[in-house]
Amino acid sequence: GDSVTQMEGPVTLSEEAFLTINCTYTATGYPSLFWYVQYPGEGLQLLLKATKADDKGSNKGFEATYRKETTSFHLEKGSVQVSDSAVYFCALKGGATNKLIFGTGTLLAVQP
Amino acid sequence: NAGVTQTPKFQVLKTGQSMTLQCAQDMNHNSMYWYRQDPGMGLRLIYYSASEGTTDKGEVPNGYNVSRLNKREFSLRLESAAPSQTSVYFCASSEAGGSQALHFGNGTRLTVT
Repeated sequence: GDSVTQMEGPVTLSEEAFLTINCTYTATGYPSLFWYVQYPGEGLQLLLKATKADDKGSNKGFEATYRKETTSFHLEKGSVQVSDSAVYFCALKGGATNKLIFGTGTLLAVQP
Repeated sequence: NAGVTQTPKFQVLKTGQSMTLQCAQDMNHNSMYWYRQDPGMGLRLIYYSASEGTTDKGEVPNGYNVSRLNKREFSLRLESAAPSQTSVYFCASSEAGGSQALHFGNGTRLTVT
C-alpha cells in the first residue's frame, strides 16, 4: 500500500545552518505530496505542497521538489532559525486511496 | 476565523468509560477526518467522511465509532475506553480532491487509566 518514509530525528542544528529532512514515498498513481509542521502543543499546519512531478512547493523559506524518478520530496531551508524548532511531517494523498498518509515525523531542534 | 474546532482539549477516562470527541469546521469542507497521534508512529487515520452522510474506516478503526452529524460536524466516540487508546486525537477537514490539503484542529489529549 501507499507509505511515506522520513528520516529519524531528532535533528539538532545551530541557527543559520542548512536544513535537509529526507522524505521518500511509495504510491500507485500520481499522489500529491505535503509537508506539515507541528509546533509544541499545537495541531498540524500545512507548510507546503506539490501536486505533480517536478513541482516545487515553497513557504517561509522552506522548499521541497516533487521528484518522481527518485520518489522523493525532501524538505530544505537555507538558514534555520530558533523559531523553526518543531516536528515536521511528510505526507502523501492520492495514489491507491484519497487519504492523507503521514510519515512518522522528524523533530527539529535549532539552537541559538 | 475558527477553522476546525475540537472539544474537549483534555480528558482523563477510566478503563471502560465512554466519551465522545466533538469536531466542527466552518470552511464548508466536504471531507472530514479523525487521526490519532502516538510517539514514533506519526498520525494514523481512524475514520474519515468523504461527504455528508458517508463514513469509512481508516487504518486503526477498532474501538471507535463516528457520526457525520451534518456537513460541519464529525464526532468520534469511544464506547469502552482502553489504556491503548491513550493518545492525542486530531480532527481535520478538506475540500474533496487529491490535491487538497487538510486543515487540522488543535487536538484532544486523552488519557485512559
